Amino acid sequence: EAQVTQNPRYLITVTGKKLTVTCSQNMNHEYMSWYRQDPGLGLRQIYYSMNVEVTDKGDVPEGYKVSRKEKRNFPLILESPSPNQTSLYFCASSLSRGGRGRNYGYTFGSGTRLTVV
Amino acid sequence: RKEVEQDPGPFNVPEGATVAFNCTYSNSASQSFFWYRQDCRKEPKLLMSVYSSGNEDGRFTAQLNRASQYISLLIRDSKLSDSATYLCVVLLNNAGNMLTFGGGTRLMVKP
Repeated sequence: EAQVTQNPRYLITVTGKKLTVTCSQNMNHEYMSWYRQDPGLGLRQIYYSMNVEVTDKGDVPEGYKVSRKEKRNFPLILESPSPNQTSLYFCASSLSRGGRGRNYGYTFGSGTRLTVV
Repeated sequence: RKEVEQDPGPFNVPEGATVAFNCTYSNSASQSFFWYRQDCRKEPKLLMSVYSSGNEDGRFTAQLNRASQYISLLIRDSKLSDSATYLCVVLLNNAGNMLTFGGGTRLMVKP
């Protein structure tokens, strides 16, 4: 089954304790991205990757790191989590662009609900 | 001004009603447009892409007006299962494939 898999689904951690949220897709997608969703603020992009070893900042990258060593994996790293990073996180992937003005949309993982105390 | 704006709702409609959602976007260079559906505490799922010529998928019709920078979604014959939040999403293709999401419009279909 084509899917984006995130782990863990739920995580409660303490301030300053490094954590990694994993994301893996089995669709051979080039594009992968991380979003956080907060009440009243909607979905905001943290980082994205256009291909292996190519990553770039989104709207809210502060406090996060990513890597793209393999096409299928795009982990999100919080080196020193803080309470303001408590949020619902989504990983997403998509095919490369199919032509001018066209895109095949994103497939999202099931989400990771992170609480930092 | 937000890049993608939607009325947050909620829209409360009876089963069988027709309901329309609107969305405006600020960047005239935006090239791709989508409607996503998100159920409570779940991931967004692609409902349909929106093309300049307009497109229909069953009870759902999406339209794009580039001149007015306006996107719409029409749902006919609403079902209880249509209750969800509908996200208007815009892609600026020369910005690294970065999707910009509207805040979503919540739809509640009542029996």
